[in-house]
Amino acid sequence: QVQLVQSGAEVKKPGSSVKVSCKASGAKFTTYEISWVRQAPGQGLEWMGGVIPVFGTPKYAQKFQGRVTVTTDESTNTAYMELNSLRSEDTAVYYCARGLVKWFGELASHYLDSWGQGTLVAVSS
Amino acid sequence: SSELTQDPAVSVALGQTVRITCQGDSLRRYYASWYQQKPGQAPILVIFAQNSRPSGIPDRFSGSTSGNTASLIITGARAEDEGDYYCHSRDSSGNHQVFGAGTRVTVL
Repeated sequence: QVQLVQSGAEVKKPGSSVKVSCKASGAKFTTYEISWVRQAPGQGLEWMGGVIPVFGTPKYAQKFQGRVTVTTDESTNTAYMELNSLRSEDTAVYYCARGLVKWFGELASHYLDSWGQGTLVAVSS
Repeated sequence: SSELTQDPAVSVALGQTVRITCQGDSLRRYYASWYQQKPGQAPILVIFAQNSRPSGIPDRFSGSTSGNTASLIITGARAEDEGDYYCHSRDSSGNHQVFGAGTRVTVL
């Protein structure tokens, strides 16, 4: 099982950007998906986007399209999530997670088997 | 639809069985996975591929699917099973992921 270690907490001003890192150990992440999920205080989990490094083209939730960028550095086994134009509503814990897929005939199971510890991003003036 | 619908909360007596459900059109094509989250902690995977458990997850956790509804069943609930439970899947297009709003489980 892979271990994911994220960068530390951040405090940002409205309108600025934040870049969170997620370093994988125990397995190369080239062929599986790295997803980013956030959780605002007292709220549920929200998928933001993800990328399979070997394919290179990230997918983003429509809500974050144009404001979020997910990248990977295969040389260091590290994924990054950058969120721009921060506002107070972006205050949340941000998680990275490894995604795997298994097929059962015509049905597929997509699941997130390993999670980072989370990174708190606080946006405040 | 890209939504997954869960009941907000459910309670169960100690040692009894509780079923948590998740409804969504995409569940006709993709199995749900289920995550347990306790306060201040990252989510952990408890069920995937309809009824598979990762190593270390007790066998009192099981899953099932019927039509557009996935279920997580906890048989013989213990106090440590209290927490929030989220279902997760791809959306109907397969290009994006979606979580249910979560179900808070209280063990009485």
